[in-house]
Amino acid sequence: DIQMSQSPSSLSAVVGDRITISCRASQNIDGNVNWYQLRPGKAPRLLIYGASTLQSGVPSRFSGSGYGSDFTLVISSLKPEDFATYYCQQSFDSPRTFGPGTKVEIK
Amino acid sequence: QVHLQQWGAGSLKTSETLSLTCGVSGGSFSGYAWTWIRQSPGKGLEWIGEINPTGNTKYNPSLRSRLTLSVDTSKKEVSLSLASVTAADTAVYYCARWGFDVVGDFHYYNLDFWGQGTTVTVSS
Repeated sequence: DIQMSQSPSSLSAVVGDRITISCRASQNIDGNVNWYQLRPGKAPRLLIYGASTLQSGVPSRFSGSGYGSDFTLVISSLKPEDFATYYCQQSFDSPRTFGPGTKVEIK
Repeated sequence: QVHLQQWGAGSLKTSETLSLTCGVSGGSFSGYAWTWIRQSPGKGLEWIGEINPTGNTKYNPSLRSRLTLSVDTSKKEVSLSLASVTAADTAVYYCARWGFDVVGDFHYYNLDFWGQGTTVTVSS
């Protein structure tokens, strides 16, 4: 199975901050990474697919990059609704594993 | 707009069988595979498995021995059955569409539409 790791596991930030979340795959997965946002009591929301393509309706302050085994999610200027947990997922092979998540908390 | 509605028993006893169903409305059903994911309390997302409209399945190896996914294309429904549950199966269960987009020469797959989630609690 392909293992996905994320760093940091959590971070504290304030509204307006730029934050970066990293995701690493245990092997080359080309550009096959998705990013999701999970807020308490809500269904997960797809943010980015194919490592860098913004899902329709997702604000442009979200961006993704990377290829191979290292990937990054950036939120350029945090809004209050962005305090949530973020997961990467590889779509390269089955089982389609998720990273352990990065919790973005209010400082 | 694609809408996924889930239903099923939310409270089970150890050793019972968990059964959930996900109904799909809006958009194509036959053109996509459908996925189940869960989140245990205090933990991250876990991919359970997926099924396509012809019934071909992919399962998480850790659940394979207890898991059955099925599909009813006439009703636009997918179902999950997990046998011999324990407290470790307590989680919020989601169904989602395994969607895709073509970017250049590549197909990129993702979970683009999700159900509302079903909280399942297993107790002794």
